[in-house]
Amino acid sequence: QSALTQPASVSGSPGQSITISCSGTSSDIGGYNYVSWYQQHPGKVPKLMIFDVTKRPSGISTRFSGSKSGNTASLTISGLQAEDEADYYCSSYTSISTVIFGGGTKVTVL
Amino acid sequence: QVQLVQSGAEVKKPGSSVKVSCKASGGSFSNYAMSWVRQAPGQGLEWMGGIIPMFGRGKTAQKFQGRVTITADEPTKTVYMEVTSLTSEDTALYYCARAIDETWFDPWGQGTLVIVSS
Repeated sequence: QSALTQPASVSGSPGQSITISCSGTSSDIGGYNYVSWYQQHPGKVPKLMIFDVTKRPSGISTRFSGSKSGNTASLTISGLQAEDEADYYCSSYTSISTVIFGGGTKVTVL
Repeated sequence: QVQLVQSGAEVKKPGSSVKVSCKASGGSFSNYAMSWVRQAPGQGLEWMGGIIPMFGRGKTAQKFQGRVTITADEPTKTVYMEVTSLTSEDTALYYCARAIDETWFDPWGQGTLVIVSS
């Protein structure tokens, strides 16, 4: 099963909003509301930012929001801050009871 | 709050095997799934497989079937992942993570670096 498709990089200026897309198929993203997003700073452990497409864990800023339309999920970061510069990964449950990740997106704050 | 502590770094020869452990503390263990995710140097995250300790049988991604075995020991709250027939392409940071509803991962262990080199 191929990885979910994410853009390699997305950039924005402080205060702006950016959106990271994550494309899959009807066998993963399109078939389940089980999309999650992870933030990873260099040399650090991945951190859960969004689960079940739209839900934020306790302690995660409301600047982070998730959505889904068809086979594509999205993570939006509003009010971009320097600390948001990191790699972001999407993941989805699949029809064969596995989990698949996206290739990752590097977010740069200009 | 569940905390996951993994075993230390390993250096292995090609063709050998490695077994990495992940010990849970501070929360429920048996009825939550635990997954293994790896990250090769400079690369993305890759789900390898998981296990629900109370059911005892792990499952692996198709890519790793026949080469990766995931087990759990309930009394010690420890999950293990063994990878056999190692090649240089298995050089990676290996993470364990609790998998809620088998779909999202939180928390994560600190990672175990496995280097495969002759």
